[in-house]
Amino acid sequence: ETGVTQSPTHLIKTRGQQVTLRCSSQSGHNTVSWYQQALGQGPQFIFQYYREEENGRGNFPPRFSGLQFPNYSSELNVNALELDDSALYLCASSSGGANYGYTFGSGTRLTVV
Amino acid sequence: AQRVTQPEKLLSVFKGAPVELKCNYSYSGSPELFWYVQYSRQRLQLLLRHISRESIKGFTADLNKGETSFHLKKPFAQEEDSAMYYCALSAPGNNRKLIWGLGTSLAVNP
Repeated sequence: ETGVTQSPTHLIKTRGQQVTLRCSSQSGHNTVSWYQQALGQGPQFIFQYYREEENGRGNFPPRFSGLQFPNYSSELNVNALELDDSALYLCASSSGGANYGYTFGSGTRLTVV
Repeated sequence: AQRVTQPEKLLSVFKGAPVELKCNYSYSGSPELFWYVQYSRQRLQLLLRHISRESIKGFTADLNKGETSFHLKKPFAQEEDSAMYYCALSAPGNNRKLIWGLGTSLAVNP
């Protein structure tokens, strides 16, 4: 399967809950990055995984965590949800990091109420 | 600090007119610069990167290190160019993460 797929497409959670977002990367892409995109803003880098290890992190608190699996899938976990976590969360994969260009998923729209 | 600035939030031009979307960056070394595009109801996709010096869909962008700019240009805009355009920077050694501008919404009017 080609392309990057994310699930679910939409999600509504209440403040304080935990959420897991999933991403299936393009086959052969060993680098995956997660981004948060608030309405009217550019994507903000959350973290990046390379061969199942985190190798870069943006200015997000530890309650944002992730996993990457050998089958090119990955997860973004957010604990203790806050209202400001409401955003579009994007997964992007690459065969060699940013310089090779990223392939993006369609995103998961998370709404925290 | 590394930063990407897109000074125009919205740019409106007529079909056939030249278009230039501005991007300025702040980085002391030799970054890699990219333009990503998001058409309505579609996902973000890579438009071009300066390292490949390619022209995609008639768009070109030249890295000007003196002015720290990477403006995106097209001589004759088409209606299908209407989209959100993001400039992004990748700094070598910085875990290869992308630093993004806020984006410019391009509207090409008939």
